[in-house]
Amino acid sequence: NFMLTQPHSVSESPGKTVTISCTRTSGNIDDNYVHWYRQRPGSAPVSLIYEDILRPSGVSDRFSGSIVSSSNSASLTISGLETEDEGDYYCQSYDPTSHHMIFGGGTKLTVL
Amino acid sequence: QLQLQESGSGLLRPSQTLSLTCAVSGASITSPIYSWTWIRQPPGKGLEWIGFMHPSGATYYNSSLESRTTVSVDRSKNQFSLKLTSVTVADTAVYFCAGVGAAAHFYHWGPGTLVTVSS
Repeated sequence: NFMLTQPHSVSESPGKTVTISCTRTSGNIDDNYVHWYRQRPGSAPVSLIYEDILRPSGVSDRFSGSIVSSSNSASLTISGLETEDEGDYYCQSYDPTSHHMIFGGGTKLTVL
Repeated sequence: QLQLQESGSGLLRPSQTLSLTCAVSGASITSPIYSWTWIRQPPGKGLEWIGFMHPSGATYYNSSLESRTTVSVDRSKNQFSLKLTSVTVADTAVYFCAGVGAAAHFYHWGPGTLVTVSS
């Protein structure tokens, strides 16, 4: 199985823009879709981005996803940061060879 | 709107079997659209995928848990289940169920249930 590597934590000020990376360790990042979730303390994860770039209904357009082939990574960008954006962010993909779901280790976002 | 709710044993002794159920509403458990999956999260740690059942009926498991894990579906009750045998304290976690759509996207999650393994 490949792995997905995320920074342990990021921080930024309200109103600014932050990008969280998700690097695939083997194979090409665009071989399989990447999805993004946010988890607030004590709650279940919620889908923010699916199939690399798509937003589920109801998710703010402040959230956007992209693929950066040069670094074999996916990125989640959050613009106009709000304190409510604080939480843990996870990327996820699927390995069709092993039929395994793969999660990144998660990134803790602090808005201060 | 798909909704899921976990239930089951919250406190176990080492070597016992963990049994959890996920009640599904808003969709049929036999829907060809969804796979049904379990994920867990140890206290203070990240998400760990456990296993899933594909609409075809095939099941797939995390290699590290495969020998102890069974995911099954109960069509009559529109729910699916997780069994994890021979638990240890390392199995203490919040367990989530989820509906997985196309491209392996975890569309909807249950709220999660805490399972504690302690002697």
